[in-house]
Amino acid sequence: EDQVTQSPEALRLQEGESSSLNCSYTVSGLRGLFWYRQDPGKGPEFLFTLYSAGEEKEKERLKATLTKKESFLHITAPKPEDSATYLCAVRFGSGNTGKLIFGQGTTLQVKP
Amino acid sequence: NAGVTQTPKFRILKIGQSMTLQCTQDMNHNYMYWYRQDPGMGLKLIYYSVGAGITDKGEVPNGYNVSRSTTEDFPLRLELAAPSQTSVYFCASSYSGARGGSGANVLTFGAGSRLTVL
Repeated sequence: EDQVTQSPEALRLQEGESSSLNCSYTVSGLRGLFWYRQDPGKGPEFLFTLYSAGEEKEKERLKATLTKKESFLHITAPKPEDSATYLCAVRFGSGNTGKLIFGQGTTLQVKP
Repeated sequence: NAGVTQTPKFRILKIGQSMTLQCTQDMNHNYMYWYRQDPGMGLKLIYYSVGAGITDKGEVPNGYNVSRSTTEDFPLRLELAAPSQTSVYFCASSYSGARGGSGANVLTFGAGSRLTVL
């Protein structure tokens, strides 16, 4: 079964305490893996796209990496403003649009 | 640049009532989508459209209808509202053609519409 699973469901960090969020997937024909950030009461906002194993993308304190089975979102020295829910989505399969499946998200809380 | 605009932001319906969630985008995106988000469940695709006049079902289409008469607008119609349709609804849009025609990569989301059916 095509599946995208994120872990942990929730993560509490102290400001400056680095950690990683995981997105594991079991799909055929990966066409792209996407990370989004969602603040309470708002829609998801795009962060990164990764297309092939070994690829890495960085933005400020965030770094996304991709293997053949999972992706990690590394957060280095987080600040309270990094608190949000982080969503992973995987596009896969054939056809012009393929399919897109979202994980259930990881809610990150960074305490000052 | 407004991006994706959804209305209303909040709505309470009684069982059996009908309503339309409005969505409009000003980015000239050809793809548009409706998702619902329930706690702990991730985003589930209801319907999508690859262009004006073309719509197709997603994972959870039952109880909903859509139309796409223009590039900009993609309204979602709820007929005979049920408590199971209590959720937060997100409209999104994207442009296809990037990455060798893989079709509709990065989605731009609206702010969401919170619907409660009592």
